[in-house]
Amino acid sequence: QSALTQPASVSGSPGQSITISCTGTSSDVGGYNYVSWYQQHPGKAPKLMIYDVSNRPSGVSNRFSGSKSGNTASLTISGLQAEDEADYYCSSYTSSSTLYVVFGGGTKLTVL
Amino acid sequence: QVQLQESGPGLVKPSGTLSLTCAVSGGSISSSNWWSWVRQPPGKGLEWIGEIYHSGSTNYNPSLKSRVTISVDKSKNQFSLKLSSVTAADTAVYYCAKQLVYAFDIWGQGTMVTVSS
Repeated sequence: QSALTQPASVSGSPGQSITISCTGTSSDVGGYNYVSWYQQHPGKAPKLMIYDVSNRPSGVSNRFSGSKSGNTASLTISGLQAEDEADYYCSSYTSSSTLYVVFGGGTKLTVL
Repeated sequence: QVQLQESGPGLVKPSGTLSLTCAVSGGSISSSNWWSWVRQPPGKGLEWIGEIYHSGSTNYNPSLKSRVTISVDKSKNQFSLKLSSVTAADTAVYYCAKQLVYAFDIWGQGTMVTVSS
């Protein structure tokens, strides 16, 4: 069982917007602004899409945005495109037992 | 641009030790970054294994801490992972990654390690 909870799957049509949630606790998501989001296509390494809750690395489309409210972080993808179909993982710094990083279980995004 | 490349045996026997190396190119491992190992069992999610700083300071996932050692070789610009007493549950793609504080901004391509006799 993953430390952070994500929906197993979400879907949307091209051009639409979707949001993926990532729920943790006050010891991780809610307590620190160190939430990140990764995109992973089949057989490929994960790619950083959002860091520190809402920052986009250079080269990442502004269609991707991140936010946080309480113990839940969210990744929103606007103007869905076929190439956005992938698995998405959230992660967070945590202080629940010792200093380390936890991931969510991943969400499969299907572009209809 | 920093690039990472994992290397090591693709097959390890049960109860043996998994050993992988991550070569850093395009930058120095002595820069102000932590460096991590992350793994992904087939068809499953990501699991953080641990991290190291060029000074040798480490942090490990508590669930693996008793079996994991991460080390750094500054002369070779690389860092390494050793995981002892492996079982089939350790079969996974192992990634090395550069950290941007608590995010992983650069990843290696990953290397599949199978634990089997």
